[in-house]
Amino acid sequence: SSELTQVPAVSVALGQTVRITCQGDSLRYYYANWYQQKPGQAPVLVIYGKNNRPSGMSDRFSGSTSGNTASLTITGTQAEDEADYYCNCRDSSGPHLGMLFGGGTKLTVL
Amino acid sequence: QVQLQESGPGLVKPSETLSLTCAVSGDSISRFYWNWIRQPPGKGLEWIGYVSHVGSTHYNPSLRSRVSISADTSKNQFSLSLTSTAAEDTAVYYCARRVEDSGINYYFDLWGRGTLVTVSS
Repeated sequence: SSELTQVPAVSVALGQTVRITCQGDSLRYYYANWYQQKPGQAPVLVIYGKNNRPSGMSDRFSGSTSGNTASLTITGTQAEDEADYYCNCRDSSGPHLGMLFGGGTKLTVL
Repeated sequence: QVQLQESGPGLVKPSETLSLTCAVSGDSISRFYWNWIRQPPGKGLEWIGYVSHVGSTHYNPSLRSRVSISADTSKNQFSLSLTSTAAEDTAVYYCARRVEDSGINYYFDLWGRGTLVTVSS
């Protein structure tokens, strides 16, 4: 099916490591991209492709994939990392031209 | 520095057509693919579709019957049209640039700030 599934909410203690996951059949064919969205702001790309960070993005963020599951890992989580995180990838159904988003994961930093 | 800026009415009556424009500055739209993405209040992101500079398009199957996206290279902007609107179309609408990684992976590297469109009488 053309869906990406994310856990709605995750919490992490300040300074600890957290993993946010994303599941879907399309991830067997394409890498996930990850976006951070803070309240009232547009999403910002944090990871794209196999495990690439845009210029200027903190190296606390990393990505990985296994089978149909992609993960975003944040190491040494900071207070400013509290946000909603969305996974996204190319849709493997039909002509492979569309794009999918996960439902988002709200990260709370304790 | 490349910037995207959405513009258009913030209020649309039910059954009417929602029309938005995204002005691109700092880069030509004659490269890349240009997308619309929306986010209902308190909910997640939904990809709407894209247009290329030569006018090729592809839309989310759930919206295909009501959506049209076009590009105007002379003005360096692209536009969204969504017909037969209903309350469920109320959302923040973002325009975004799609780029390719290694010819296989697609991702959105630049986003506009978004514009809220409310569908209500």
